[in-house]
Amino acid sequence: SAVISQKPSRDICQRGTSLTIQCQVDSQVTMMFWYRQQPGQSLTLIATANQGSEATYESGFVIDKFPISRPNLTFSTLTVSNMSPEDSSIYLCSVGTGGGEKLFFGSGTQLSVL
Amino acid sequence: AQSVTQPDIHITVSEGASLELRCNYSYGATPYLFWYVQSPGQGLQLLLKYFSGDTLVQGIKGFEAEFKRSQSSFNLRKPSVHWSDAAEYFCAVAGRGSQGNLIFGKGTKLSVKP
Repeated sequence: SAVISQKPSRDICQRGTSLTIQCQVDSQVTMMFWYRQQPGQSLTLIATANQGSEATYESGFVIDKFPISRPNLTFSTLTVSNMSPEDSSIYLCSVGTGGGEKLFFGSGTQLSVL
Repeated sequence: AQSVTQPDIHITVSEGASLELRCNYSYGATPYLFWYVQSPGQGLQLLLKYFSGDTLVQGIKGFEAEFKRSQSSFNLRKPSVHWSDAAEYFCAVAGRGSQGNLIFGKGTKLSVKP
C-alpha cells in the first residue's frame, strides 16, 4: 500500500485568497487524483494530476480555479484559487497503483472559507 | 447516467448485532465495485473491492460484500458490529480502465449503541 501525507490537514481562509494543498507519497505512483467532498455530499473527482503535463479536469472544474502541479511521481499540489464560502470542503488526494485497481486516499484537507 | 445510491443516510445498530449497508449502482457494464470507510478526521480506507470472479468478497475488519448483477447491488455486511466500526461508509464504482475515476455514493453514517 501507499502512504500518503497531505498538508495542511485543515485551514480557515478568507474570501478571495488562495490555498495550496500538498500531497506527498512514500513511493512512486503512476496515478494521482484530487477529489472534493462538500459538506454532506459524496466525493467528486476534480482532476487527474499528470506527471510532466497539464492535469486532466472533470466536467465542472477548470484549471484557473484549481491549478494542479505534479513535478514528479511522488508529489502533487492542488491550489484552490480566489476562494469563496462555496469552496468550503474536504479536499482529498488519492493515488492509484498497479492498473488503477487500487486507490488509496490521503487524510484530506478540511478547508473553511469565511 | 452512472450513479451510486446508498439509500440509508444513517443507521444505528447495537454492538454485537449484524449489519448490512445497501448499495445500488447504475452503470453501462459491470464496473469495479468498492467499499470505503471514513472515520472522523481521517481519510478513506479501502474495505474491499470486487473486480471479477467470486461474487462474495471478503475484506478487512471482518467485512464482506456480495455482488448481485441482477439487482445491480453490492451490499456490505458484517456479522457482529464493534463500537470501533462507527464511521461513514461509502460505496463506489469505477469503469474498467477508468484509471481511478471513482463515482461515489453519498455515504451511510453508522452509529453503534453500546
